[in-house]
Amino acid sequence: GAGVSQSPSNKVTEKGKDVELRCDPISGHTALYWYRQSLGQGLEFLIYFQGNSAPDKSGLPSDRFSAERTGGSVSTLTIQRTQQEDSAVYLCASSLAGATDTQYFGPGTRLTVL
Amino acid sequence: AQSVAQPEDQVNVAEGNPLTVKCTYSVSGNPYLFWYVQYPNRGLQFLLKYITGDNLVKGSYGFEAEFNKSQTSFHLKKPSALVSDSALYFCAVSVYNQGGKLIFGQGTELSVKP
Repeated sequence: GAGVSQSPSNKVTEKGKDVELRCDPISGHTALYWYRQSLGQGLEFLIYFQGNSAPDKSGLPSDRFSAERTGGSVSTLTIQRTQQEDSAVYLCASSLAGATDTQYFGPGTRLTVL
Repeated sequence: AQSVAQPEDQVNVAEGNPLTVKCTYSVSGNPYLFWYVQYPNRGLQFLLKYITGDNLVKGSYGFEAEFNKSQTSFHLKKPSALVSDSALYFCAVSVYNQGGKLIFGQGTELSVKP
């Protein structure tokens, strides 16, 4: 079946611009996660959606970052006023539900801020 | 705070030899442990996980890992390495009642030479 998809695969933007990254999870998965992979920081958790519960935003690095999940499916991660340190690969994952379920990752969006 | 350590940035193995990639963790509560592999310019692929029960878990591509509670370790092993196993390996932990967010180690680059 279809896996997690992300778009765009690559995004180059100028410092100060806003960007939106999209994630389509596996159908039927109620949990959706965003992570960031960068050379300096490794793999970091950003935000977690589980069903209709309030999202866990504890990993968002600043208030320039936000995310929403519409209709319990597609999610959009928005970065406002991008900075060069935001350059990274943004990975989305989905799972059936909670902590014991395997997370399946998308191919990622490589963001470059010039 | 939860943390995962992979003490080796790189592991070099000759094809056909056994391989071990080390992982230790620190959590408050029962850990759920995962191994993922990342090939160049690809997302993370799930290898195996430990949730409960038998300490030795077997996963994809002939990999296995042993959960050792007293040593807080979850080392990844394979009896006979293949050149195609060369990739970046990540250990991760999630904790019951803290959602499913994964805390990752910094990754270990495995290089298998013919």
